[in-house]
Amino acid sequence: SQQGEEDPQALSIQEGENATMNCSYKTSINNLQWYRQNSGRGLVHLILIRSNEREKHSGRLRVTLDTSKKSSSLLITASRAADTASYFCATMDSNYQLIWGAGTKLIIKP
Amino acid sequence: GAVVSQHPSRVICKSGTSVKIECRSLDFQATTMFWYRQFPKKSLMLMATSNEGSKATYEQGVEKDKFLINHASLTLSTLTVTSAHPEDSSFYICSAPPGSGRAGENIQYFGAGTRLSVL
Repeated sequence: SQQGEEDPQALSIQEGENATMNCSYKTSINNLQWYRQNSGRGLVHLILIRSNEREKHSGRLRVTLDTSKKSSSLLITASRAADTASYFCATMDSNYQLIWGAGTKLIIKP
Repeated sequence: GAVVSQHPSRVICKSGTSVKIECRSLDFQATTMFWYRQFPKKSLMLMATSNEGSKATYEQGVEKDKFLINHASLTLSTLTVTSAHPEDSSFYICSAPPGSGRAGENIQYFGAGTRLSVL
């Protein structure tokens, strides 16, 4: 199901700039995951942050989680043209079900 | 809204048998469907992209002879787990984008998933 909210819906930035996407959710979670979807392709898992973690890094990706605000952000630093894709957050609830956000379409302009 | 139907929702089989999972788009045509595998409490792992009228595209590390995909029509894709073993026990999920002209790229419609248990 898709119950989370992401903003912005679409984001267009210049190559080299940082891109920040946000995700809000409603229920208590076990963990929160971010996925990328390139045009016409399936979802690819990027990073998972557990409910007891506040920040996590993976390469140029930085994810934060604020359980008090029920929100997370994904930061992509030094963006590249290849980062152009749609990004989705998904929360895993206490029943280990994935609940999806609507996604953010990121366009990196050369 | 668009619906993707996945069947069966649960299957228990003996080791060595083959299991077929169906994924149908009920009110839209899907030239592409995706198959995922989810281990308990873990994230989705993309297995393959099913293409109507052509061969599926498998992700690295996924055995194409083990996981046979057939996209027989614009509304049906099947995943067959051949000669299943206990390590194939998992949750398998399909998804489909509704196609151009119907909705933006941000939309993915997921099936409800199939829980496979191999004894």
